Amino acid sequence: QVQLQESGPGLVKPSETLSLICTVSGGSINNYYWSWIRQSPGKGLEWVGHIFYSGATNYHPSLKSRVTLSVDTSKNQFSLKLSSVTAADTAMYYCARYGRTGTTIYYFDYWGQGTLVTVSA
Amino acid sequence: SSELTQDPAVSVALGQTVRITCQGDSLRSYFASWYQQKPGQAPVLVIYGKNNRPSGIPDRFSGSSSGYTASLTITGAQAEDEADFYCKSRDNSGNVVFGGGTKLTVL
Repeated sequence: QVQLQESGPGLVKPSETLSLICTVSGGSINNYYWSWIRQSPGKGLEWVGHIFYSGATNYHPSLKSRVTLSVDTSKNQFSLKLSSVTAADTAMYYCARYGRTGTTIYYFDYWGQGTLVTVSA
Repeated sequence: SSELTQDPAVSVALGQTVRITCQGDSLRSYFASWYQQKPGQAPVLVIYGKNNRPSGIPDRFSGSSSGYTASLTITGAQAEDEADFYCKSRDNSGNVVFGGGTKLTVL
């Protein structure tokens, strides 16, 4: 059973960089896309971006200038960096595996439990 | 537009059938997937593709799609089905989009 676990600081100061790591266990990180999804308090889900195990990335257009995803296959981990954060970046951050069947079926089949990141001085 | 539109709230009587819909241009090209999120928990995949259920998802959950609209149907809703439901698709650039979510109340 694939399991994902987010880790990183729960408090980040405004204008600094938010950094999170997702550790994958119970399966290999190879051959899949891996995603970050966030949810502001009381709001809906927002896709942040995803990365293929080879390093290819897609980012949400509105976050593209501030987001960097990376992957470390040797550690079965992938990570998120979000720069110049503001209070609007306060959210629960989830990592998830992005599965695909054919060319028209895409889904997030495994999720981490999420980690709350608060942006505050 | 790659937006997905969902009704904010839907209610259903215990044991009855409810349909939750999701509309968007991307659904003409890509199948929706559906996620159930209970308070304080991570989302859970309940339907993907034409009508596929991951292991462990009850068969009262089913999916369908027609044109610009995808639907999640719960046949014989149970109290434990009360949750927020999100649809998800993608655009031709590979960007992911979520619907705004539907809060399901089981009466």
